[in-house]
Amino acid sequence: KAGVTQTPRYLIKTRGQQVTLSCSPISGHRSVSWYQQTPGQGLQFLFEYFSETQRNKGNFPGRFSGRQFSNSRSEMNVSTLELGDSALYLCASSLLQGGSDTQYFGPGTRLTVL
Amino acid sequence: GDSVTQMEGPVTLSEEAFLTINCTYTATGYPSLFWYVQYPGEGLQLLLKATKADDKGSNKGFEATYRKETTSFHLEKGSVQVSDSAVYFCALKETGANSKLTFGKGITLSVRP
Repeated sequence: KAGVTQTPRYLIKTRGQQVTLSCSPISGHRSVSWYQQTPGQGLQFLFEYFSETQRNKGNFPGRFSGRQFSNSRSEMNVSTLELGDSALYLCASSLLQGGSDTQYFGPGTRLTVL
Repeated sequence: GDSVTQMEGPVTLSEEAFLTINCTYTATGYPSLFWYVQYPGEGLQLLLKATKADDKGSNKGFEATYRKETTSFHLEKGSVQVSDSAVYFCALKETGANSKLTFGKGITLSVRP
């Protein structure tokens, strides 16, 4: 079974631009979560989608948004990019939502904002 | 709110040395606990997990026991290898309809031949 895939793997943008990142979960997984990883703040939860609905959201500004499609693929969008948005963005999928269900992570998208 | 505290790093060991990485947590309910590992340039891989008190998770020679009384989930390995060099993250997930993982800051392990 293929793992979680994320595209693109690397992105370079300039301040003020917007960016869309894509995540394809493991086949059959319905929950997709997004995390931001930076050297200073570590791993921080962005949001979670389950059956096309946002079920949980972290403490990030409204510039960060996402969505999930009927095939469980998810996208996240960051508008009006700031230098501080440079990070590794990780997507994770799980079969169900909540409980002790294990989340499986993709390789991440490395975003650099210049 | 929930939080995970890991010991300060980095940690450098010689091959075949014993490894302990401390992890303690604060949670309101009865969380599940995880150890994830991140190799350079890659995402996170689940190393092991435990879902209730006194459970022991184990994988690839690594072990961790869920200690509710000390709110700890320390990672141990009896004999580390150079290939174990990576960043290790302790994480928790609350019970209920919430998939959010709360991570510790991570610790870098380097193993010398």
